[in-house]
Amino acid sequence: ELKVEQNPLFLSMQEGKNYTIYCNYSTTSDRLYWYRQDPGKSLESLFVLLSNGAVKQEGRLMASLDTKARLSTLHITAAVHDLSATYFCAVDSWVSGYALNFGKGTSLLVTP
Amino acid sequence: DVKVTQSSRYLVKRTGEKVFLECVQDMDHENMFWYRQDPGLGLRLIYFSYDVKMKEKGDIPEGYSVSREKKERFSLILESASTNQTSMYLCASATSYEQYFGPGTRLTVT
Repeated sequence: ELKVEQNPLFLSMQEGKNYTIYCNYSTTSDRLYWYRQDPGKSLESLFVLLSNGAVKQEGRLMASLDTKARLSTLHITAAVHDLSATYFCAVDSWVSGYALNFGKGTSLLVTP
Repeated sequence: DVKVTQSSRYLVKRTGEKVFLECVQDMDHENMFWYRQDPGLGLRLIYFSYDVKMKEKGDIPEGYSVSREKKERFSLILESASTNQTSMYLCASATSYEQYFGPGTRLTVT
């Protein structure tokens, strides 16, 4: 069974600070996804990491993938309030038609 | 832009009713999925389909069925709604390297 673990599950940070969210998964998978979800809304795709060593950046968010360690990180640089949301990582499984297996999400609150 | 639409944003149904949740995508994707999202449990796969009339059970199929008569439409059916099916339901369609989610349907069963 493919398991995906995120930590931390809750994160409160001050504006301007840096922090990293970690995502570990249990079986080999070459694709790692990061999504953002605002309260009451659907999932917004942030990054798709397709290979070992992949790094992608968008604004204050940077995601990386280490398939050997089965680890992805989402790094937040100089956080701002607008980044407050829940962040999910997920890996897919060809066995289930590329359905996603999600971590439980990291609820991020950025405070002044 | 890929567009995935769901028939209702909010739905309130009574216990025992038959409930249909509709999902339509406009990008000719073969793979479509239904997930439910619950606090503390994250998103869990209910059913998926990789072609018309093809369906496969996901992790939590009990109490649900699906229908895919046309490539663009994937329906989730609650045969007899129960209160433990109160949840947010998310539909997605996918290529082999990207999943696109619909806006979600928040279903309340009373």
